[in-house]
Amino acid sequence: GQNIDQPTEMTATEGAIVQINCTYQTSGFNGLFWYQQHAGEAPTFLSYNVLDGLEEKGRFSSFLSRSKGYSYLLLKELQMKDSASYLCAVMDSNYQLIWGAGTKLIIKP
Amino acid sequence: IAGITQAPTSQILAAGRRMTLRCTQDMRHNAMYWYRQDLGLGLRLIHYSNTAGTTGKGEVPDGYSVSRANTDDFPLTLASAVPSQTSVYFCASSDGQGAYNEQFFGPGTRLTVL
Repeated sequence: GQNIDQPTEMTATEGAIVQINCTYQTSGFNGLFWYQQHAGEAPTFLSYNVLDGLEEKGRFSSFLSRSKGYSYLLLKELQMKDSASYLCAVMDSNYQLIWGAGTKLIIKP
Repeated sequence: IAGITQAPTSQILAAGRRMTLRCTQDMRHNAMYWYRQDLGLGLRLIHYSNTAGTTGKGEVPDGYSVSRANTDDFPLTLASAVPSQTSVYFCASSDGQGAYNEQFFGPGTRLTVL
């Protein structure tokens, strides 16, 4: 079966760095996406990785290791507005997105 | 209209009733999707359409139907609602079907079936 695993909840302090991990087992791989979802709102796109390595975009970076079926999202200089759920999704061999349940990130002052 | 709109925003529905959730996008995207999001579960694909005139079944299609008469609209119909269909429904679209086609989401419809 297809499976995406990520922690249910994480807590971090404003100004700090947090890493949210995602492991996956899917039928085929056509890229991995990270989305941000604030409570009561729609998911919004953060990043896409298809090759191994680190993609940096401002305070957010995303890493992929295809051989390990592993990705992480790194958030630096945390701000209160970063409190949200972070969704990991893998595009399978049929070009459909398989979604993890999301990691709720709580930022404390 | 800018992006994707969904209607209604929320709805309380009696079991057994028929309900259509509306979705319209103005980005001229070829592909559109319907997901449901339940607490503790990831987004689950209900139906999708790669282009106008075609539709396909996702992971959880039972009890739902869709149509894609044109590029902009992708309504989702519950023929006879049941309480297990209580969920938040998101419509999404993307420019293409292949890799690196990020999906853009509508604001969602919160549906409660009693």
